[in-house]
Amino acid sequence: DAGVIQSPRHEVTEMGQEVTLRCKPISGHNSLFWYRQTMMRGLELLIYFNNNVPIDDSGMPEDRFSAKMPNASFSTLKIQPSEPRDSAVYFCASSLLGLVNTGELFFGEGSRLTVL
Amino acid sequence: QQPVQSPQAVILREGEDAVINCSSSKALYSVHWYRQKHGEAPVFLMILLKGGEQKGHDKISASFNEKKQQSSLYLTASQLSYSGTYFCGTDGGATNKLIFGTGTLLAVQP
Repeated sequence: DAGVIQSPRHEVTEMGQEVTLRCKPISGHNSLFWYRQTMMRGLELLIYFNNNVPIDDSGMPEDRFSAKMPNASFSTLKIQPSEPRDSAVYFCASSLLGLVNTGELFFGEGSRLTVL
Repeated sequence: QQPVQSPQAVILREGEDAVINCSSSKALYSVHWYRQKHGEAPVFLMILLKGGEQKGHDKISASFNEKKQQSSLYLTASQLSYSGTYFCGTDGGATNKLIFGTGTLLAVQP
């Protein structure tokens, strides 16, 4: 079975540019999570979806960040405009059950974003 | 609120034991443990649910004390493959959000 697939794996962009990160969850999973990892803040939960509906986006840093899940097999995280402090590894994870407290998270390999 | 892990880092020789602690200021429904190797994604180790259960996974086990809002991960007879950063993830139950702890870097040397 294919795991969670993220693209791009690496992105280098200049400040002010739009960045779109993509995620394909494991087929059949109905919960999807976006995390950001930095040395300073560790693994931060940005937003999570259940059955394609955003449930909690309180971790999204600011209006520059937006996330969508148009269907069960695809999600995007967009940053517009990007800033150097957005540089991080962005992980997407999916879970089989609707309740994360009873299901393990399967992580993608991450998208490493560098904003110059 | 992010759970706090201790120690921040630990260096072991192969065969030695280690304990990693995870403490939350909020009531917990469950605790997850994940291991992340350098440059890779976190990988699930185990989930402990409310009820004070202890789980085992080869020579890695964990306990969960919901009254104290704490969990501990026990690594016995450590192997080189145990090296990595260990994260606990806590869930308060009300929102189903999994919040990860500050992380513990474990290095096992030959």
